[in-house]
This record gives sequence, C-alpha cells and structure tokens, in this order.
Amino acid sequence: KAGVTQTPRYLIKTRGQQVTLSCSPISGHRSVSWYQQTPGQGLQFLFEYFSETQRNKGNFPGRFSGRQFSNSRSEMNVSTLELGDSALYLCASTRWSSGKPLPQYFGPGTRLTVL
Amino acid sequence: DAKTTQPNSMESNEEEPVHLPCNHSTISGTDYIHWYRQLPSQGPEYVIHGLTSNVNNRMASLAIAEDRKSSTLILHRATLRDAAVYYCILRDSKANDYKLSFGAGTTVTVRA
Repeated sequence: KAGVTQTPRYLIKTRGQQVTLSCSPISGHRSVSWYQQTPGQGLQFLFEYFSETQRNKGNFPGRFSGRQFSNSRSEMNVSTLELGDSALYLCASTRWSSGKPLPQYFGPGTRLTVL
Repeated sequence: DAKTTQPNSMESNEEEPVHLPCNHSTISGTDYIHWYRQLPSQGPEYVIHGLTSNVNNRMASLAIAEDRKSSTLILHRATLRDAAVYYCILRDSKANDYKLSFGAGTTVTVRA
C-alpha cells in the first residue's frame, strides 16, 4: 500500500505571498491531520479533517486554512506569508476509530522557506 | 496530559540491541503507549504501540512494565538506518485523542 505523499517537497516563497500544499493519504484513511514542525517549537498541530469536514483545529491564525476532498486528499493554504512560517509542514493520515487512538502515518513533509 | 520522560541520547553499535526506556508514572488506565521515530530530514514514522501486554512487530518490540509506569522500546539489531530521534507518547483512548504532541525524545546514534 502506498504511503502518504506530499507535494511539493520543497518550496521557496517571499513574504506576503500565499502557498498551497497538497497531501494524499494512505488509501482507506479518512482522517488527515496537518502539523507544523520547527526546531524551536517542535511539532505543532494545525488541523484535522475527516470526511471533508474540519473536526479539530490547533492554535494558529486564520491565515492557515485547509480543506479535504471527497477522495480524502487534503490541501492546506497559508496566505500572507511571514518569515516565521518557514517550517516543515507534515501531513498525517489515519483510519477513523471512535475509541482506540490509532497510529498516524506521516508523509515526508513540505519544506517551506519564506524569504 | 500524562507526561513521559526519556533520556536525551543513547549510543549503540551496529547489529547490537538498543533498549530505549520511557517513564510514564502518571499513566492512566485508558492511556496507550505509542512510539514514533524521526530520521533526519524526514517525517515522523510510527513504530509501535501497546496498552498492557508486550508487543512485537517487524520494526521493534515494546516491553511494558507490570504497573505500566514505564516501558522499553527494543530494537533487536540496530542498523545505521535506525539512527533517529525516538518519541514515547501517551494517547488517551477515552479523550478522543486526535493530535500528536512530541517531547524532546531520545536521539539514538548508531556506530558502524
């Protein structure tokens, strides 16, 4: 079974621009989560989507948004980029379960550099 | 949230076993113990998880103490590819625990 894929792998943008990142989950996984990882802050949760609906949201400004399509693929968008948005953006997918916390499977990430 | 404590770093020789400890003295009865690792310049990778009994998979073994206040991740024969930061976390099955939060983890170095 193919793993989680993310595109693009690397991206360089300038302040004020916007960016869209894409994630394709493992086949059959309906939950997709997005994380931001930086050396200083570690892994921080952005949001989680399930069946095209945002179920949970982390503590990030409204410039960060996302969506999920009917095939479970997901995109996240960052508008009006700031230097501090430079980070590794990770997507993770999991099967849905109402009880037992199932493992999350991560993609390789998109390395975003804002100049 | 229940916390975990791990050593900052560990070293091992190639093809030798590695035992990574994790303390979680405030674990609750509904907490699962999950392990992830992150290789340099890659996304985190799920390794193994368990609740009460010891668990084995193709990557590693997880030994859970009888009182569940500690656990040990065992890599049976370390390879250079196992050099990574290893994270031990608790995930509550009762609380709809939907997000992961990693601490500093243990940095494992494997010597050839």
